[in-house]
Amino acid sequence: DAMVIQNPRYQVTQFGKPVTLSCSQTLNHNVMYWYQQKSSQAPKLLFHYYDKDFNNEADTPDNFQSRRPNTSFCFLDIRSPGLGDAAMYLCATSREWSGTGVNEQFFGPGTRLTVL
Amino acid sequence: GENVEQHPSTLSVQEGDSAVIKCTYSDSASNYFPWYKQELGKRPQLIIDIRSNVGEKKDQRIAVTLNKTAKHFSLHITETQPEDSAVYFCAARFMNSGGYQKVTFGIGTKLQVIP
Repeated sequence: DAMVIQNPRYQVTQFGKPVTLSCSQTLNHNVMYWYQQKSSQAPKLLFHYYDKDFNNEADTPDNFQSRRPNTSFCFLDIRSPGLGDAAMYLCATSREWSGTGVNEQFFGPGTRLTVL
Repeated sequence: GENVEQHPSTLSVQEGDSAVIKCTYSDSASNYFPWYKQELGKRPQLIIDIRSNVGEKKDQRIAVTLNKTAKHFSLHITETQPEDSAVYFCAARFMNSGGYQKVTFGIGTKLQVIP
């Protein structure tokens, strides 16, 4: 059973043309993350939502935005994709609470973005 | 913030031999250390994790050890098989300045098991 779903799996866009990637989850986790992973590199956290609270990483470009309309869905918007934004984008979820709560991150299959 | 160093970046072993991947972290407040396996073109998948109140954890052929004093943790795979070939990422979780838990990944180790 799919737990973290990403659509589309492959996305091709043109330089400068806005694109939206989507993520949904059936785990009812309160935290959702977006990572960018380039070839042969570790996943790099772009931002995450803790419930409705948005937490942007300091080095995430303004070109990247996110929306979380409800617990299940989270979107990654790239306003003006550049060639350097071509990568795999991974969505992940976790259940977080204070103390020693379960913190495993569950990753979606990713969306591979190509910028022409 | 947290800094996680991982080595080696590539590792080749003969089938049946053991593989060891080592990571160090900088933030002594880190309290959770997962290991992910990522096959080519697929999502990272958790294979084992350890919390800061435990020194060692084992799951069949996979084990993880944690030395809090030295701030390093290691992944041990015994009796390696060709299907163990993948990229392995270590990670450390810590609390960032905004009060949020954050996971920082190592650069990854590409493991090749030679039949």
